[in-house]
Amino acid sequence: SQQGEEDPQALSIQEGENATMNCSYKTSINNLQWYRQNSGRGLVHLILIRSNEREKHSGRLRVTLDTSKKSSSLLITASRAADTASYFCATDGGSNYKLTFGKGTLLTVNP
Amino acid sequence: NAGVTQTPKFQVLKTGQSMTLQCAQDMNHEYMSWYRQDPGMGLRLIHYSVGAGITDQGEVPNGYNVSRSTTEDFPLRLLSAAPSQTSVYFCASSYRGLMYNEQFFGPGTRLTVL
Repeated sequence: SQQGEEDPQALSIQEGENATMNCSYKTSINNLQWYRQNSGRGLVHLILIRSNEREKHSGRLRVTLDTSKKSSSLLITASRAADTASYFCATDGGSNYKLTFGKGTLLTVNP
Repeated sequence: NAGVTQTPKFQVLKTGQSMTLQCAQDMNHEYMSWYRQDPGMGLRLIHYSVGAGITDQGEVPNGYNVSRSTTEDFPLRLLSAAPSQTSVYFCASSYRGLMYNEQFFGPGTRLTVL
């Protein structure tokens, strides 16, 4: 079963614009992670936010976590064509050994 | 460091054939895992290992076997391939568990079962 669900399924923006993706999950978590997958490649870890954190930044990425609403958002500022990829959230559901991924958001950044 | 490596990159099997997907990591990670990714789906966990000699089932383990004889290697065996196992398979590793550790992914193996 899918623990995390991303929204929207697809997002198309112009270079320089900001992109926001959302993730909702069902059970309590220790942490939530965001990954990026370029077409035909493996996943690359972007950022991990712990359940006791509300916001985290890494370069042009900003992640928020609202455990009361069981939701997270990933904001990419000043997007570039190279940001074109699928973005997945993953949650641990309280387990140290099982990470559950959502179906992803396909982001297209047009030059 | 090579990170996480997977072989082969592509494989075509006939129904009923068996094969082993290889995965290796050179980061001395305790935790390793196998996922499958199907179109329009996220990754689903097949099996994982928390150290040499210790493996456990994930979400979709049926039809797959694993073993972990060394820290570095974590092969995935398909015992009798079925068309439903057509997928892209990813191996991943992390330092210790997933609680506060990122996973490093291999490049994937694209498997087609005819």
